[in-house]
Amino acid sequence: DSGVTQTPKHLITATGQRVTLRCSPRSGDLSVYWYQQSLDQGLQFLIQYYNGEERAKGNILERFSAQQFPDLHSELNLSSLELGDSALYFCASSAGFGGQETQYFGPGTRLLVL
Amino acid sequence: DQQVKQNSPSLSVQEGRISILNCDYTNSMFDYFLWYKKYPAEGPTFLISISSIKDKNEDGRFTVFLNKSAKHLSLHIVPSQPGDSAVYFCAASAEGGADGLTFGKGTHLIIQP
Repeated sequence: DSGVTQTPKHLITATGQRVTLRCSPRSGDLSVYWYQQSLDQGLQFLIQYYNGEERAKGNILERFSAQQFPDLHSELNLSSLELGDSALYFCASSAGFGGQETQYFGPGTRLLVL
Repeated sequence: DQQVKQNSPSLSVQEGRISILNCDYTNSMFDYFLWYKKYPAEGPTFLISISSIKDKNEDGRFTVFLNKSAKHLSLHIVPSQPGDSAVYFCAASAEGGADGLTFGKGTHLIIQP
């Protein structure tokens, strides 16, 4: 158990809908990262927050947004969902924000868009 | 453009022998490398890491070697155990970590009894 929790574990929704994925980092970690794992693209970095502020942005679509709250939990919002958004979404956390940080991953949320 | 490549989609090794998983990278800005293990329906589990200032790091049965001039790293597992059967991902981060972790596509390690 990495100490990172994610809810829900599974999510099934329809195209055009909006969903929110939730992540709680390990105790003491200030950074939260979001990744998407799809069959053809592998694990792709989406976005990072550090202590409530956006720190780095990867291949995140404009339809997707995230935030980190004062209690350090984070939410990833996915809107106007398309079939291609079906994937595993992982949250990871680390203590700091520098490059040489070990990231610990949660169990993931499996999203299926029908 | 794949910046981290794991060219072997799968690898089969006999129990008790050494497993060697390979990873190549192209981005010279990468300075921190990690290996993760992943079981189906679970998140990646951190195994071992290495900074670019080192060429070897060891933790129990796991050793990671880094050859910066060749932009190549490898993970050695010895002796291999049945519980090691999983998908192994190589990941890298650049100085400052601005792009998060860049992952390879993974190698499925199968330990044969």
